[in-house]
Amino acid sequence: DAGITQSPRHKVTETGTPVTLRCHQTENHRYMYWYRQDPGHGLRLIHYSYGVKDTDKGEVSDGYSVSRSKTEDFLLTLESATSSQTSVYFCAIKGTGNGEQYFGPGTRLTVT
Amino acid sequence: AQRVTQPEKLLSVFKGAPVELKCNYSYSGSPELFWYVQYSRQRLQLLLRHISRESIKGFTADLNKGETSFHLKKPFAQEEDSAMYYCALFTSGNTGKLIFGQGTTLQVKP
Repeated sequence: DAGITQSPRHKVTETGTPVTLRCHQTENHRYMYWYRQDPGHGLRLIHYSYGVKDTDKGEVSDGYSVSRSKTEDFLLTLESATSSQTSVYFCAIKGTGNGEQYFGPGTRLTVT
Repeated sequence: AQRVTQPEKLLSVFKGAPVELKCNYSYSGSPELFWYVQYSRQRLQLLLRHISRESIKGFTADLNKGETSFHLKKPFAQEEDSAMYYCALFTSGNTGKLIFGQGTTLQVKP
């Protein structure tokens, strides 16, 4: 599993509340990614990081922010959760080969 | 525009039948394509990549640049093949970013 964990694994929150999801890796990988998985849309990149304090936007970044203050942790924050952000969120790290990524177990987020 | 399209949301076959999961891509450069699989209650994992021309769990995929396709095939489906399959396009550069298709659920019936 490339030493990738996500927390929490499940969360239910109310519209308008802030939410932070954590991705933790133990193998000192430089590149980390946050995706959301939705039926009919597949996996879409939210943000990614290419080092400590180095992040960039992905395809669906509106409403999300990220931070990476140390190599092992990549945080995804929903400043004010909306129902459209109900989804399964996956973290991933870049493997050694082109296109090779290793994924975390996912966090199921429900915004009511 | 860079895009990956998987036209089938669900593909249902009987055990022992051939399987073909379709994937088409749009990319201006030289593409590198991958198939990822997510079994029930497991993490998404890399199944195969076109560059290595490998066969994993009996699955193969050939890149057809003329048809811009990378279909995943298996001659005889097994029940344990039931899963969600994603086709992905590697967009070149150091970032390692992937563009995923919408995914196809393969259901293999006994």
